[in-house]
Amino acid sequence: ILNVEQSPQSLHVQEGDSTNFTCSFPSSNFYALHWYRWETAKSPEALFVMTLNGDEKKKGRISATLNTKEGYSYLYIKGSQPEDSATYLCASFNQAGTALIFGKGTTLSVSS
Amino acid sequence: EAQVTQNPRYLITVTGKKLTVTCSQNMNHEYMSWYRQDPGLGLRQIYYSMNVEVTDKGDVPEGYKVSRKEKRNFPLILESPSPNQTSLYFCASSLQGASYEQYFGPGTRLTVT
Repeated sequence: ILNVEQSPQSLHVQEGDSTNFTCSFPSSNFYALHWYRWETAKSPEALFVMTLNGDEKKKGRISATLNTKEGYSYLYIKGSQPEDSATYLCASFNQAGTALIFGKGTTLSVSS
Repeated sequence: EAQVTQNPRYLITVTGKKLTVTCSQNMNHEYMSWYRQDPGLGLRQIYYSMNVEVTDKGDVPEGYKVSRKEKRNFPLILESPSPNQTSLYFCASSLQGASYEQYFGPGTRLTVT
């Protein structure tokens, strides 16, 4: 079974702080890396799907990078706002390339 | 509106009483899957379907069945529920497999007593 690890498990920042989280995954047989944002009492929503080594994607204040050779991805949030408070999930493929394996998530809390 | 729907949203049942959680998507997606979420664990895949009549086991399939007779529907069946199946369940779909972003349903909170 593919192991997807996320760190830190939780994070508390002040409004306006910039922050980043890490997702690590086995680099062999890599297919794609997903990031999702999951707010309390809602469903996970896709942020990015990344496939190529060196990929960088951006959506507003949130961006992500991918290093498939060393097996990690960073998610960055610039100028955190209270509405960014959520759990951020990453997911990668298993070796068959048909199932997503999720990490346990990083829970971000932003205080105003 | 493009969406994935699940029913019921909440269910309390007793051990051994067969139940079905329905999942439907209106986006003509080929890939559908079921996940369960438990405290301290990540989302774990139960079953997935690459297309109509094509289903396969995920990481935690024991105690579950699925079917995919139509493209839009992917019901999850618990033939004899047990308390260890108490969980939050999500259905998801994507255009063509797990390399595409997943669209999640609203979740079904199941309690088995």
